[in-house]
Amino acid sequence: DAMVIQNPRYQVTQFGKPVTLSCSQTLNHNVMYWYQQKSSQAPKLLFHYYDKDFNNEADTPDNFQSRRPNTSFCFLDIRSPGLGDAAMYLCATSRGHSGANVLTFGAGSRLTVL
Amino acid sequence: LAKTTQPISMDSYEGQEVNITCSHNNIATNDYITWYQQFPSQGPRFIIQGYKTKVTNEVASLFIPADRKSSTLSLPRVSLSDTAVYYCLVGANDYKLSFGAGTTVTVRA
Repeated sequence: DAMVIQNPRYQVTQFGKPVTLSCSQTLNHNVMYWYQQKSSQAPKLLFHYYDKDFNNEADTPDNFQSRRPNTSFCFLDIRSPGLGDAAMYLCATSRGHSGANVLTFGAGSRLTVL
Repeated sequence: LAKTTQPISMDSYEGQEVNITCSHNNIATNDYITWYQQFPSQGPRFIIQGYKTKVTNEVASLFIPADRKSSTLSLPRVSLSDTAVYYCLVGANDYKLSFGAGTTVTVRA
């Protein structure tokens, strides 16, 4: 089945130790998104790629970076995680055609910062 | 970017119909209305999408009035497994698909 796969599902890191989360898709979608979801809150858009074009949300901290080496993969790098970065990180994709955009989400990567 | 407003929570019982209304007063001409369901520790899942009038699929109906400033998700005959958070998203071409606070639906036996 075509899907969005996130790895790892659970990541524990120490304060300040860099972390990379990965996302892969078999849907051949043009757009890939990263969302941050803290406990009992709605997902918050961090950034998205339309093909290779990177689009950062204005309030996304510089601590968060992303890479998309090819259509199928996208990475979220947290350069120096703080306690406030503990959250579920959700990757999503969409076709990117004009008109309706339906998001397909992965299962998420839960980050714990010690 | 259209801002959405939904009730924070709704309670229901098994077998009842649940209707969740989302307000989106500044919806743009090209915007679609999409609803997602999210269970704890999972990514949101697409439920239904519409542009105007009424849309129905195997799990829900979506009612959109002519002015499109609101929409109502209808879940017929809910079961305990429908307990989840439901999000209304409005947008289309700009890919800035931002989530509102969502509605926590609790279904009781």
